[in-house]
Amino acid sequence: SQQGEEDPQALSIQEGENATMNCSYKTSINNLQWYRQNSGRGLVHLILIRSNEREKHSGRLRVTLDTSKKSSSLLITASRAADTASYFCATDMNSGYSTLTFGKGTMLLVSP
Amino acid sequence: ETGVTQSPTHLIKTRGQQVTLRCSSQSGHNTVSWYQQALGQGPQFIFQYYREEENGRGNFPPRFSGLQFPNYSSELNVNALELDDSALYLCASSSGGSGYGYTFGSGTRLTVV
Repeated sequence: SQQGEEDPQALSIQEGENATMNCSYKTSINNLQWYRQNSGRGLVHLILIRSNEREKHSGRLRVTLDTSKKSSSLLITASRAADTASYFCATDMNSGYSTLTFGKGTMLLVSP
Repeated sequence: ETGVTQSPTHLIKTRGQQVTLRCSSQSGHNTVSWYQQALGQGPQFIFQYYREEENGRGNFPPRFSGLQFPNYSSELNVNALELDDSALYLCASSSGGSGYGYTFGSGTRLTVV
């Protein structure tokens, strides 16, 4: 079953613009992670935010977490064509062992 | 530091056959998880191994089984293949415990015909 749901399903922007993706989830979490996937291959870990954190930055990435609304957002600033990929949020729930539950992803297309 | 390596990269099997997929964990990682990703979907958790024991399982039937070896490499076995088993199978390793990101392999694309 899908724990998270990303919004929008697809996003098309021009290089230099910012891209914002949102994720909603259903149950309490230990942390939330964002991953990137190029062309249906392996996932690359981008950033992890713990349940007691509200905002985190990594390079051009900014992630926010609102546990009261059970939602997170990923902002990519100054997008590049190389950012074209699918982006997934994944929740690590308080289930006794650590594992990830993924949403369906947002497909981002950045045009030159 | 090596990443996660999966083999083979592509595989075509006939319905009813059995398949074994392999994964070498990232150095220093003692936990391996397997995920199934159908086309257009997010990865679905199959199971996780920690120190050679299965310590968590998703909603997959018993014909999906696995092993973890002393060097922390792992296998995913699927018996009695069905057409719906066609998917990208991803292996991910971590150092265990919550609060750490996972390192994923590039996946094995399984097609069942």
